[in-house]
Amino acid sequence: GNSVTQMEGPVTLSEEAFLTINCTYTATGYPSLFWYVQYPGEGLQLLLKATKADDKGSNKGFEATYRKETTSFHLEKGSVQVSDSAVYFCALTSGEYQGGKLIFGQGTELSVKP
Amino acid sequence: DAMVIQNPRYQVTQFGKPVTLSCSQTLNHNVMYWYQQKSSQAPKLLFHYYDKDFNNEADTPDNFQSRRPNTSFCFLDIRSPGLGDAAMYLCATSRLTGAGANVLTFGAGSRLTVL
Repeated sequence: GNSVTQMEGPVTLSEEAFLTINCTYTATGYPSLFWYVQYPGEGLQLLLKATKADDKGSNKGFEATYRKETTSFHLEKGSVQVSDSAVYFCALTSGEYQGGKLIFGQGTELSVKP
Repeated sequence: DAMVIQNPRYQVTQFGKPVTLSCSQTLNHNVMYWYQQKSSQAPKLLFHYYDKDFNNEADTPDNFQSRRPNTSFCFLDIRSPGLGDAAMYLCATSRLTGAGANVLTFGAGSRLTVL
């Protein structure tokens, strides 16, 4: 079945450091790929998405490129801030015939220190 | 602003005492989802409604039920909560159009404590 695997956390970085959170997926067909962010005590917010191979999603300085050849969707940011501290979830949707439901990776906690 | 609202944000119940969590949306989305998220884990889909059609995940316990009386509201009923049901419950909505990515909008969640 479809699945998502993320690098384990927690990840601790200093402010202005470069961030990479690895994400790989297993899916049939052509899934859409997402990164969601969850701040403490809150629900999930969409960070960025990509719907086909070689698409690059970007938002708030974060980027991720849909790589079909390596089945990956790694999240990157050139210079993190303390306010980026949160849990990041990579996810895919399995197609509308299954209600378009979201399948999540296990999440990666990011902590950014001043 | 259009949004997804969950009530209550925090719910404490006793072992075996039924509880209902509610979700409302002003987005006019046709799909509503309920996810269970335990501490430090990924959200796990319990079920979803595609319009009025209910879709249960195969591994969702019978203890969990849902109702969608109209487009705007969806309820999660836990008939006899156990200690293992303590979690954050997330409601999400989406509009499935047959084109483009299916983007889910999440509520802030309802945190359930079982004593």
